[in-house]
Amino acid sequence: AQSVTQPDIHITVSEGASLELRCNYSYGATPYLFWYVQSPGQGLQLLLKYFSGDTLVQGIKGFEAEFKRSQSSFNLRKPSVHWSDAAEYFCAVGGAQKLVFGQGTRLTINP
Amino acid sequence: DTAVSQTPKYLVTQMGNDKSIKCEQNLGHDTMYWYKQDSKKFLKIMFSYNNKELIINETVPNRFSPKSPDKAHLNLHINSLELGDSAVYFCASSQGIGQGKGDIQYFGAGTRLSVL
Repeated sequence: AQSVTQPDIHITVSEGASLELRCNYSYGATPYLFWYVQSPGQGLQLLLKYFSGDTLVQGIKGFEAEFKRSQSSFNLRKPSVHWSDAAEYFCAVGGAQKLVFGQGTRLTINP
Repeated sequence: DTAVSQTPKYLVTQMGNDKSIKCEQNLGHDTMYWYKQDSKKFLKIMFSYNNKELIINETVPNRFSPKSPDKAHLNLHINSLELGDSAVYFCASSQGIGQGKGDIQYFGAGTRLSVL
């Protein structure tokens, strides 16, 4: 069965600092991996996706993620965070017909 | 022009009532979904429809009945509302049903349901 684990429920970083959000997945076949962001009171917006090919994928808002099959991970990174990045971040694995989400990581930015 | 729109945005009601949430997408997609986000922000799929046909029903109580009058609309009707139904319900759509391509799902803004 598909599953996604985001080990960090809440992360706080200072504005301008680098960020890495962790995501581990379990899936029996080639995974299709996604990162979504949910700002307070908003829906989910797709940040980036991995389907195949280059394991380092670029997304919107300066985010990138790296797929590591040997570690079953798809960590999200950003070199320098902005106050507007404060939000809830969800990693998801998609196969046939549905997405399975992790528990989410809440990101707080200190000024 | 909103791609996936849900109404209402907020819904407050009493236990035992029946309520509906509507969803419409203007992306021309074939597949639509309902997800439930609980108080701990955990998102779980409830249903998916492809071209008006039910594809996924994730052991949701039969008090929840989705209806798809056409492929651009997927409504969610909930009978006999219970306290535990309080959550945020998200509608989403995608081009296909993920036939090995990991279709991207686009989400609406959510409907916050509060059952008192």
